[in-house]
Amino acid sequence: EPEVTQTPSHQVTQMGQEVILRCVPISNHLYFYWYRQILGQKVEFLVSFYNNEISEKSEIFDDQFSVERPDGSNFTLKIRSTKLEDSAMYFCASSGTGSSEQYFGPGTRLTVT
Amino acid sequence: KQEVTQIPAALSVPEGENLVLNCSFTDSAIYNLQWFRQDPGKGLTSLLLIQSSQREQTSGRLNASLDKSSGRSTLYIAASQPGDSATYLCAVPHYNQGGKLIFGQGTELSVKP
Repeated sequence: EPEVTQTPSHQVTQMGQEVILRCVPISNHLYFYWYRQILGQKVEFLVSFYNNEISEKSEIFDDQFSVERPDGSNFTLKIRSTKLEDSAMYFCASSGTGSSEQYFGPGTRLTVT
Repeated sequence: KQEVTQIPAALSVPEGENLVLNCSFTDSAIYNLQWFRQDPGKGLTSLLLIQSSQREQTSGRLNASLDKSSGRSTLYIAASQPGDSATYLCAVPHYNQGGKLIFGQGTELSVKP
């Protein structure tokens, strides 16, 4: 069964460093998303991506963040100059259409020290 | 602004019991609702997607209902097992926003042998 994959599973970085989180969405899906979950809090939306551009972003998704689909399979989230409060679980998701079921990856646990 | 609430926050039941998890949302203009399971430190597994035109959706021992007009959904788990222990999340897409999901805070279920 097709699934969303994410790498790495755990990333530890120092404050101020840049990190790139990688995702491989389900191959025939057209909509891609990043969400994050700070420990003990709700899952919250960061950004959606369709047709090679951002379709929506939350107020969390400021200039520190960027997304890219560098080739036909990968979808990346870049966080520049990480802060302690960026420590969270980051989930990638994909769906076939903008209104269909979203499938989530296993997440990347980001720890900023 | 859409808000999703889940009650109770935590639930502990003996094995074999039938149980109901509740989800409520403030804006009834949704086109579907999705239930997820999350094991500790893990990703989100989609359990059921129920379309706005449906009243119920079933998968194995799980049954989800949707009452759009009252802004409520329930997830019924029959004959609970210890392996059902997890956090259950409901989420609705933000209407006309390309599929961005708004999550509840989840119900942490513990099924005791």
